[in-house]
Amino acid sequence: DAGITQSPRHKVTETGTPVTLRCHQTENHRYMYWYRQDPGHGLRLIHYSYGVKDTDKGEVSDGYSVSRSKTEDFLLTLESATSSQTSVYFCAISAGAYEQYFGPGTRLTVT
Amino acid sequence: KNEVEQSPQNLTAQEGEFITINCSYSVGISALHWLQQHPGGGIVSLFMLSSGKKKHGRLIATINIQEKHSSLHITASHPRDSAVYICAVRSGTGNQFYFGTGTSLTVIP
Repeated sequence: DAGITQSPRHKVTETGTPVTLRCHQTENHRYMYWYRQDPGHGLRLIHYSYGVKDTDKGEVSDGYSVSRSKTEDFLLTLESATSSQTSVYFCAISAGAYEQYFGPGTRLTVT
Repeated sequence: KNEVEQSPQNLTAQEGEFITINCSYSVGISALHWLQQHPGGGIVSLFMLSSGKKKHGRLIATINIQEKHSSLHITASHPRDSAVYICAVRSGTGNQFYFGTGTSLTVIP
């Protein structure tokens, strides 16, 4: 199994609070991705990173920011959580033109 | 508009049946992936292919680049194959992936 972890695995938070999810890899892969998974939508890209401090937006980036200060860590921040951001969040890593490996997911509930 | 469409959305089969899941895509791709997601959420990559056919045990994946279509076949299906199968394509022009909404497979003993 690829060395990829996510923390926390579950979180309940209130509307309006900031939330940060962490993705950590031990594979030294260049590319890291944050997705959200919702019923009827499949996986949708929020942001991705192609190197330290190099990030780009995905199709559902509004309300989210990311940072990557080290190769192994990719942080996703919900600046002011809303109920529409209740979802399961997956991190994935890739060495480039190869397979993606997924983390175990974080279930976030915004009340 | 979805770049990746899968069919069927739901599939129930008897143990031992031959199963086919289809995926069509509308963008230029560098590779197509088949993923498996079991209840409980973990996502595992089954295949990555850019042409032809790949086989792993009872699973076979094919792709037709000209028709922008891929199929995932499961021979001699088993209840442990029950999962959601997701088709994903890697953009030919960048590093983004696009995902289908998944096919939920239930294999009944």
